[in-house]
Amino acid sequence: QVQLVQSGAEVKKPGASVKVSCKASGYRFSSYDISWVRQAPGQGLEWMGWITTYNGNTNYAQKLQGRVTMTIDTSTSTAYMELRSLRSDDTAVYYCARDRYSLWGQGTLVTVSS
Amino acid sequence: EIVLTQSPVTLSLSPGERATLSCRASQSVSSYLAWFQQKPGQAPRLLIYDASNRATGIPARFSGSGSGTDFTLTISSLEPEDFAVYYCQQRSNWPMCTFGQGTKLEIK
Repeated sequence: QVQLVQSGAEVKKPGASVKVSCKASGYRFSSYDISWVRQAPGQGLEWMGWITTYNGNTNYAQKLQGRVTMTIDTSTSTAYMELRSLRSDDTAVYYCARDRYSLWGQGTLVTVSS
Repeated sequence: EIVLTQSPVTLSLSPGERATLSCRASQSVSSYLAWFQQKPGQAPRLLIYDASNRATGIPARFSGSGSGTDFTLTISSLEPEDFAVYYCQQRSNWPMCTFGQGTKLEIK
């Protein structure tokens, strides 16, 4: 079954870091790039960045530059998104998506609260 | 950054009616526009890509049109499961993209 399965919900304190995983199965991981999108509670969708699974090249949203890092582990067909220096307005559901957004993970809720 | 403006913000219709959703870009995106449907607690679902191409498994009642700066998603005859939030997305400067703010399609 072709799917993306994300890691579970996280609760973090302001200033901390979070790392969300996105494990691919049912297809050749290196054939499709991975994008990350987040959605704050009751809000719209925000593009965060993209990583090519071929060689790990990345492209990040300007507003997140310096705080976000996207990586891949081809041995486990997993993509990762790490966000540092968390703030309350980083509270959101974080999604990974494949191949022009035709396949999405189930989402990971990250809550930033003191 | 290319800004996408969706209208209306909320659309109230009854099952069986025709729905017309609009997405306007602040500058030309050619045909690099997609539409997504999102239901509460679920990930978005790709409906239309490259302005007018239905994604795999999407019913024929969904259609997209437009190019340049003005785009339309049409649902020809609403089914109960179509009531959701719809987002447009531009990909003219891939891999970067932006989303519209969404249109909520609600039951009248």
